[in-house]
Amino acid sequence: AQKITQTQPGMFVQEKEAVTLDCTYDTSDPSYGLFWYKQPSSGEMIFLIYQGSYDQQNATEGRYSLNFQKARKSANLVISASQLGDSAMYFCAMREITGNQFYFGTGTSLTVIP
Amino acid sequence: GAGVSQTPSNKVTEKGKYVELRCDPISGHTALYWYRQSLGQGPEFLIYFQGTGAADDSGLPNDRFFAVRPEGSVSTLKIQRTERGDSAMYLCASSFAGQVSGANVLTFGAGSRLTVL
Repeated sequence: AQKITQTQPGMFVQEKEAVTLDCTYDTSDPSYGLFWYKQPSSGEMIFLIYQGSYDQQNATEGRYSLNFQKARKSANLVISASQLGDSAMYFCAMREITGNQFYFGTGTSLTVIP
Repeated sequence: GAGVSQTPSNKVTEKGKYVELRCDPISGHTALYWYRQSLGQGPEFLIYFQGTGAADDSGLPNDRFFAVRPEGSVSTLKIQRTERGDSAMYLCASSFAGQVSGANVLTFGAGSRLTVL
């Protein structure tokens, strides 16, 4: 079974609007971390936001927030007030307490329309 | 250095040749990872180093792939007898070691794009 599933290969959003990128995960570990990375066309992976499985509150970092629903095993990324520079691939990732490997999804390509 | 440095940024080689890809992690990061990313896909785990030793090499696809980190800093990914299917972006990332937390997220390099003709 896939550890990380991102079901949206491509998404479009109007500039200044909010967009949600979906991510579901699969683990039986009691403790894990969830991460979102942005990969612009230049290729470098940029860390955006982290959510720990025991964190009581949803993580926020500037315009990025994580809608964490533990019972549903989902960790959706919300980008508010989209900007043209947000156009990129976005990857959800997970690391379990029992291992050191980070598992990545297949990514979502986001295009911000002016 | 300030970030993770990978060289070369691009490598074109012929089928059957030997290739080395180098990664210089962030100073102080004891954990180092190699990932492979094919076009349109997410990064695929290859190998993880904790210090000098390969703590997990379960992602290496076959024995043509090997990686070293002799002094616990710079790492080299070595690919023997390259095949066209090895063409991909090879990403290196480093982090502080330890439990899962926001303090030891992966910092990636810009990658080495390998093309095998």
